[in-house]
Amino acid sequence: GQSLEQPSEVTAVEGAIVQINCTYQTSGFYGLSWYQQHDGGAPTFLSYNGLDGLEETGRFSSFLSRSDSYGYLLLQELQMKDSASYFCAVRGYSGAGSYQLTFGKGTKLSVIP
Amino acid sequence: NAGVTQTPKFQVLKTGQSMTLQCAQDMNHEYMSWYRQDPGMGLRLIHYSVGAGITDQGEVPNGYNVSRSTTEDFPLRLLSAAPSQTSVYFCASSYRSGGRSDTQYFGPGTRLTVL
Repeated sequence: GQSLEQPSEVTAVEGAIVQINCTYQTSGFYGLSWYQQHDGGAPTFLSYNGLDGLEETGRFSSFLSRSDSYGYLLLQELQMKDSASYFCAVRGYSGAGSYQLTFGKGTKLSVIP
Repeated sequence: NAGVTQTPKFQVLKTGQSMTLQCAQDMNHEYMSWYRQDPGMGLRLIHYSVGAGITDQGEVPNGYNVSRSTTEDFPLRLLSAAPSQTSVYFCASSYRSGGRSDTQYFGPGTRLTVL
C-alpha cells in the first residue's frame, strides 16, 4: 500500500513564502500531485510532478525527489485567499493489478495579516 | 461543460436505511472514483472504475456498492446506513489513470449524516 506524511497545520504571514513538505512510501510510483481545498469546498488540482525537479505555475511551485520519496509545495507571495488545506497524493501499486491514488491527510494553511 | 455533478448536496438518513449518491461527468473521462472525507483523515478511496463495466475496491469499500453501466454515471449505494458512514462524499473523474492525465476533477460533494 501507500502512505504519505505531511504537516497537519502551517501558519504564515501574508506576502511571505511557505513550504509544505510531503514524504511518501509507495510501490510502483507514478507521480506526486497537489490539491487545494477551501473550507466547505471540493479539492482542486494544483500541480503534478512525474519526474524529479521543480514545476512552476504562477505563485505555486512543486518539487519532487524520487530518490528521497519526498516532495514539497512552495507558495510565494502569500495571499489571504491561500488559506486552505493542501493535500499531496501519490499513485502507486496497491496489489492485484491495481494502481490507486492515495491522498495525505492534508495540511491546513492559515495566512495571517 | 458541467464537469462533475453530484446529487444530493445534503442528506440525512436513519440507521439501516439505504440510498444512492449520484455522480455524473460530461468530460468523457474513463476513470471515476468515490472518496469519503472525515476530519483529520484526508480523502479515502471507497471504490473506483477504470471504464464502463469495470469497478474495483479502494481503501474503505465495506458498506458501499458501485456500478458503472455508462461512461458518464457512477452511482454509490449505501446498503444499510450506519453512523460511521457520516461523512462528506466526493466523486472524482480523470481522463485516465497515471501521469499528468491523472488530474482528478472533483464534484461539489454530498454531506451525509446518519442518525
